[in-house]
Amino acid sequence: NAGVTQTPKFRVLKTGQSMTLLCAQDMNHEYMYWYRQDPGMGLRLIHYSVGEGTTAKGEVPDGYNVSRLKKQNFLLGLESAAPSQTSVYFCASRENWDNSPLHFGNGTRLTVT
Amino acid sequence: GESVGLHLPTLSVQEGDNSIINCAYSNSASDYFIWYKQESGKGPQFIIDIRSNMDKRQGQRVTVLLNKTVKHLSLQIAATQPGDSAVYFCAENTGNQFYFGTGTSLTVIP
Repeated sequence: NAGVTQTPKFRVLKTGQSMTLLCAQDMNHEYMYWYRQDPGMGLRLIHYSVGEGTTAKGEVPDGYNVSRLKKQNFLLGLESAAPSQTSVYFCASRENWDNSPLHFGNGTRLTVT
Repeated sequence: GESVGLHLPTLSVQEGDNSIINCAYSNSASDYFIWYKQESGKGPQFIIDIRSNMDKRQGQRVTVLLNKTVKHLSLQIAATQPGDSAVYFCAENTGNQFYFGTGTSLTVIP
């Protein structure tokens, strides 16, 4: 099993450009999450999904959209990138029962200039 | 919102010594806690977890202690090795969401 795979690993955008980050998991997990990680701060939840076709807002959803058209994939979109969205983005998945841990991908480092 | 904090941002230990990393959490309703290890350029890696109905759980060279009275969590690493150098996070789980601390950077001195 590859676990959680994120693409791309690195990306540089100019302000106003758009892009989509892809997360794929092969563990048949129901729940998937997008976090951002910034220096001096804990991981912050952007959006999450509790199943195919469902999404919900997290702590910092503004400026991002997500889609979960297939159970194994969770896409994070930036429609008009801003420098404040420079960050490392992590996708995670977990099983749909209580007390199951998050499994993380290796992240996408995004720089917006 | 949730507040999960760590007592020390950095910790240096001699190789072979034991390490203790602490974490405070704020939500008494949280019922599940996890410790993660993050190496540079990688995603957080699961180390050990504990449910709120337990006080202690042991893994290979690691032990997690939970004190619900003071809302405190600790990670003990026995016989710390150079490969243990990383940032360690605690996380608390409430419902479908997890809340993370800012992390403690552990450096192992050979």
